[in-house]
Amino acid sequence: NAGVMQNPRHLVRRRGQEARLRCSPMKGHSHVYWYRQLPEEGLKFMVYLQKENIIDESGMPKERFSAEFPKEGPSILRIQQVVRGDSAAYFCASSPGAGSTDTQYFGPGTRLTVL
Amino acid sequence: EDQVTQSPEALRLQEGESSSLNCSYTVSGLRGLFWYRQDPGKGPEFLFTLYSAGEEKEKERLKATLTKKESFLHITAPKPEDSATYLCAVPMLTGKLIFGQGTTLQVKP
Repeated sequence: NAGVMQNPRHLVRRRGQEARLRCSPMKGHSHVYWYRQLPEEGLKFMVYLQKENIIDESGMPKERFSAEFPKEGPSILRIQQVVRGDSAAYFCASSPGAGSTDTQYFGPGTRLTVL
Repeated sequence: EDQVTQSPEALRLQEGESSSLNCSYTVSGLRGLFWYRQDPGKGPEFLFTLYSAGEEKEKERLKATLTKKESFLHITAPKPEDSATYLCAVPMLTGKLIFGQGTTLQVKP
C-alpha cells in the first residue's frame, strides 16, 4: 500500500487523557500536513512538518497540542488532557516537495471521540 | 483575509442531470487551486490541480475550470456513484491549504 497511512482509525479517550495520532506519509514524501475536521465544519489546517522540523504551526492551538516528525518513524500529533471539543476527524496529508502547489495526498483519518 | 467559499452547500440531482459547483476565493496571489472528493468516513481524494486562469482539466464526467475569481466543477450526466462531498482548496505560500466548506452532492437513480 503506497498511500498515506494513519492509525488508529478510531480512538476513544476520556476527558483528561492523552491522544496520540500517527501518520506515515507516502513513500518518497518528506512533507507532512495535519488538518482537523470538526463535525459539520470544513477542513482546517493545523501544522506542516518536514523531517525533524516544524515549518508552519499557525493552525495549532497554543496549548495541549504538539506535533513531531522524527528522522525515523511516523509523524505524531499529540493532544494532552483532551476535552470534548477535541472530538473530530484528524487527517494527515503528505507531499513530495516543498512547493506550495505540490499535491497533498490525504490519509483515511483518525476519528477521535472524547467521552 | 484569505477565504474560500463554495456553493451550493448541498445539491440533489437526478441521474443524468448535469450541473456545476462553484468555488470562489479571495487570496493574495493565487498559486493554484485544488479539487478533492470526500466520501463519508474517508479522507479527501485528489481530483485536479488548476494553476492559472483559463485552465481546464477533465476526468470522466468531471471538468474543472478556473477564472481569476472562481473555479467551477462541472458534472456531466452524473451517476449515483458521483455522490460525495466535493472540496476546493487554495494553497498558501507555506503550502498549507485553505479549504472551502464543501458541496455535498447527491445523485438519485
